[in-house]
Amino acid sequence: SQQGEEDPQALSIQEGENATMNCSYKTSINNLQWYRQNSGRGLVHLILIRSNEREKHSGRLRVTLDTSKKSSSLLITASRAADTASYFCATVGNTGTASKLTFGTGTRLQVTL
Amino acid sequence: KAGVTQTPRYLIKTRGQQVTLSCSPISGHRSVSWYQQTPGQGLQFLFEYFSETQRNKGNFPGRFSGRQFSNSRSEMNVSTLELGDSALYLCASSSRAANTGELFFGEGSRLTVL
Repeated sequence: SQQGEEDPQALSIQEGENATMNCSYKTSINNLQWYRQNSGRGLVHLILIRSNEREKHSGRLRVTLDTSKKSSSLLITASRAADTASYFCATVGNTGTASKLTFGTGTRLQVTL
Repeated sequence: KAGVTQTPRYLIKTRGQQVTLSCSPISGHRSVSWYQQTPGQGLQFLFEYFSETQRNKGNFPGRFSGRQFSNSRSEMNVSTLELGDSALYLCASSSRAANTGELFFGEGSRLTVL
């Protein structure tokens, strides 16, 4: 079963605008990761934030984590058409192997010119 | 460095048949995990192998099995295929030494069961 939910399920913006996606999860975590998936392809790791971190940046990406609310957000600034993809959050629990990720339901982002 | 390679990329089977999917991890990666992706259930963990041993298993029936070879290559097998097994099967590898949880995914094997 899915660990959590992401919202919105779908997001359509124009190039240059910012895109914000939210993720909620249910159990305590070791870290939370965001992945991107182009249609029908494999997933690409974007960024990882540990449970003791509150915010992390990587290029045009900004991730926040609120462990008290069990939620995270991914902000993509100055979006480009090439950012069109599905975005998934994934959590690693405090027990068990770090290779077992529990994925959210995903947000489909459409960036138009 | 070559990425994770999955074969075949596409395949069509009929109900009752069995299928074997292959995954070659990134060189030096000893952990291989498998995920199933469907529109209804999303991405779900199947199992993970490290040094030829299954370390973790998801909530799937015994028809789903896997193995890992000494060169870290992995295969997964689904027997007695059902229509609901139609999915994108994704393999991912990771560096145990890093232990960050970051996974490197292949492009997937898309299975259609008729």
